[in-house]
Amino acid sequence: KAGVTQTPRYLIKTRGQQVTLSCSPISGHRSVSWYQQTPGQGLQFLFEYFSETQRNKGNFPGRFSGRQFSNSRSEMNVSTLELGDSALYLCASSLGGLTSSYNEQFFGPGTRLTVL
Amino acid sequence: DAKTTQPTSMDCAEGRAANLPCNHSTISGNEYVYWYRQIHSQGPQYIIHGLKNNETNEMASLIITEDRKSSTLILPHATLRDTAVYYCIVRGPMIYNQGGKLIFGQGTELSVKP
Repeated sequence: KAGVTQTPRYLIKTRGQQVTLSCSPISGHRSVSWYQQTPGQGLQFLFEYFSETQRNKGNFPGRFSGRQFSNSRSEMNVSTLELGDSALYLCASSLGGLTSSYNEQFFGPGTRLTVL
Repeated sequence: DAKTTQPTSMDCAEGRAANLPCNHSTISGNEYVYWYRQIHSQGPQYIIHGLKNNETNEMASLIITEDRKSSTLILPHATLRDTAVYYCIVRGPMIYNQGGKLIFGQGTELSVKP
């Protein structure tokens, strides 16, 4: 079974630009979560999508947005990039059903975004 | 979700057991303990989870104290490839949190040395 894939793996942008990152979940998984990892703040939850609907949201400004398509693939967008948005962006997929007692998440390799 | 406390770093000799502790004194009765690890610059990898009973899989064992206020992840024969940051996370059932949000702490940086 193929794992979670993220594209692109590396990206360099300048301040003020916008960026779109893509995540393809494991086949059959309906939940996709996004995380930002920086040396200062560690791993922080951005948002989660399930069946094309945002189900959970972290504490990030509105410049960070996402969406999920009917095939469960997800994109996240960051508008008006700031230097502090430089980070490793990780997505994770899971089955995601609310009737589950637990939820094992499978992470992709991440997209390394550098903002100059 | 309950807060967890882990040591910042630990060393372990190759071939020996690595015992990584985690305190979660405010854990609720229906909250699970999850362990993930992150090898440098890769995405986190799920290791194991448990509720009350001790658990074992091909990667590790999870020992949860009877009062559930702490747990220990055991890597029985650590190798150099086990060098990573290990995260202990506590969260409730899916319906409890309305989804799959994970709250990561700072984790324990485990260095396995030859």
